[in-house]
Amino acid sequence: AQKVTQAQTEISVVEKEDVTLDCVYETRDTTYYLFWYKQPPSGELVFLIRRNSFDEQNEISGRYSWNFQKSTSSFNFTITASQVVDSAVYFCALSGINAGNMLTFGGGTRLMVKP
Amino acid sequence: DTGVSQDPRHKITKRGQNVTFRCDPISEHNRLYWYRQTLGQGPEFLTYFQNEAQLEKSRLLSDRFSAERPKGSFSTLEIQRTEQGDSAMYLCASSLSPGTSVHNEQFFGPGTRLTVL
Repeated sequence: AQKVTQAQTEISVVEKEDVTLDCVYETRDTTYYLFWYKQPPSGELVFLIRRNSFDEQNEISGRYSWNFQKSTSSFNFTITASQVVDSAVYFCALSGINAGNMLTFGGGTRLMVKP
Repeated sequence: DTGVSQDPRHKITKRGQNVTFRCDPISEHNRLYWYRQTLGQGPEFLTYFQNEAQLEKSRLLSDRFSAERPKGSFSTLEIQRTEQGDSAMYLCASSLSPGTSVHNEQFFGPGTRLTVL
């Protein structure tokens, strides 16, 4: 069974603040993939990043960075110097190698960035 | 437009009616997925196809739901005898099969929002 938990249901920050979105996962697969998706008010899920279970290197892409820690089964997402356009619901998702490529999503974290 | 498209974008129906949704995946993608998202929740997996073969179905997919992908291209999701609990956003996604250079990254369509009155 796969499970993804995003304990923060809603976060509100002021523009330019840094914010970290938490994601904790459970899986029995030894090979798996972790994802973050963004869902803006328009509703379409936008792919942000994919990591595989063998690659624990942190990744930075512009103002976005991801911290994957296998020891704590966490894959956290940090936005640096947040902007109003970052306001959206962010989903963490998991796909185990034996799960037929299906994604198991967390409940999402609604991020509100105020000017 | 080379993304995943879904039609219709919105559907309002009365309880007991049948509805059908269509999904057109990215053309070179051989995997196609259906998810359901209710308000305030993350998407939940319903079913997926590899080419025309339906390989897995979630327990969420009751016998009132049926999905097809007859020629391995577009897919349809039909809900018979709709119930108010079926009200949700139905999302379609597509991907290449694992083993390619873009391993199992799924691209989502805009969704079909179903409201059952």
